[in-house]
Amino acid sequence: DAGVIQSPRHEVTEMGQEVTLRCKPISGHNSLFWYRQTMMRGLELLIYFNNNVPIDDSGMPEDRFSAKMPNASFSTLKIQPSEPRDSAVYFCASSIAWGGNEQFFGPGTRLTVL
Amino acid sequence: RKEVEQDPGPFNVPEGATVAFNCTYSNSASQSFFWYRQDCRKEPKLLMSVYSSGNEDGRFTAQLNRASQYISLLIRDSKLSDSATYLCVVMEVEYGNKLVFGAGTILRVKS
Repeated sequence: DAGVIQSPRHEVTEMGQEVTLRCKPISGHNSLFWYRQTMMRGLELLIYFNNNVPIDDSGMPEDRFSAKMPNASFSTLKIQPSEPRDSAVYFCASSIAWGGNEQFFGPGTRLTVL
Repeated sequence: RKEVEQDPGPFNVPEGATVAFNCTYSNSASQSFFWYRQDCRKEPKLLMSVYSSGNEDGRFTAQLNRASQYISLLIRDSKLSDSATYLCVVMEVEYGNKLVFGAGTILRVKS
């Protein structure tokens, strides 16, 4: 059974460019989460969806960040325009239901903004 | 004050040693607690949930003290493969059941 799939695995871009990160959750999972991990701030929740609906986006750092979940099997996190301080590892995770269930993480996208 | 605080370590221990990690959380309304493990340059994975009565999974024992808002993880007979970062995680019900992660404690087991 495939786990959470993320693409690309690595992304190097220049400041000002648009970046789109993609995630396919585990089939049958109803909740999807986007996290960002840096050495300075650790693992931070950016936004999460339940049944494709955004529930809480209070962790999204700025208006430059946006996320969508057009269907149960796909989500995107977009940064436009990107800045060097956005450099981090971005993880997508999914769980069967919203709540205390185990979250399964994807392998992450390592983003470097020059 | 951070919502979930952990000693960052690193804890450097020999194989076979017993090591304990501690974690404190600030929100007394927190409902569920977990330990996740993260290997270098990999994603976090659930190690175990933490229950009020304490729970054990092989060499791993987790304990929760709600009165002190304190969570612990004990690893007995450490293996080289236990080397990783251990993340203390708290679920906050009042914020839509979101998980709040500690910064992690680094464990290095050496032969």
